[in-house]
Amino acid sequence: EAQVTQNPRYLITVTGKKLTVTCSQNMNHEYMSWYRQDPGLGLRQIYYSMNVEVTDKGDVPEGYKVSRKEKRNFPLILESPSPNQTSLYFCASKQGLPYEQYFGPGTRLTVT
Amino acid sequence: GIQVEQSPPDLILQEGANSTLRCNFSDSVNNLQWFHQNPWGQLINLFYIPSGTKQNGRLSATTVATERYSLLYISSSQTTDSGVYFCAGVWNRDDKIIFGKGTRLHILP
Repeated sequence: EAQVTQNPRYLITVTGKKLTVTCSQNMNHEYMSWYRQDPGLGLRQIYYSMNVEVTDKGDVPEGYKVSRKEKRNFPLILESPSPNQTSLYFCASKQGLPYEQYFGPGTRLTVT
Repeated sequence: GIQVEQSPPDLILQEGANSTLRCNFSDSVNNLQWFHQNPWGQLINLFYIPSGTKQNGRLSATTVATERYSLLYISSSQTTDSGVYFCAGVWNRDDKIIFGKGTRLHILP
């Protein structure tokens, strides 16, 4: 089944404790991206990657890191999480620019 | 600036009613897509519609790229249609994807 998977789905952590949210897609898509969703603000793009070893900042990259070492995986790293990073995070992938994107199930992160 | 604006922000309808959701987008935004976020938070693709009209069951969408708007039509609404509907586009200057703030639809039984 073609899908985008994220892990973990739920995470509660404390300020400053490094964490990684994994994202994997099995559709051989070139483009992958991360979003956060906050009440009243909709979805905002954090980082995106057009292909392996190519990453670019979205609208809200501060406090996040990403890497794209292989085509199928695009982990989101929070080196020192803070409470303002409490949010619902989505990973997405698409074959290329003129194609529709597909979303993972979301990761609900709480930083206390 | 780059904008993707949706209207109305909220909509409450009785089951069986029809509805039209609108997405206006600024110049240089293209490759429109519509999503439904269900009450469990899942984002579901509805339409990829850079231009023209598409239909899928009770849902249809039309994008008029030259006038920079897209419409999502829902006919004979059901309670399972409740949730938030988002449109999103790609800004062609640096390939960022920009979402509108969504229309929250509540279908009453």
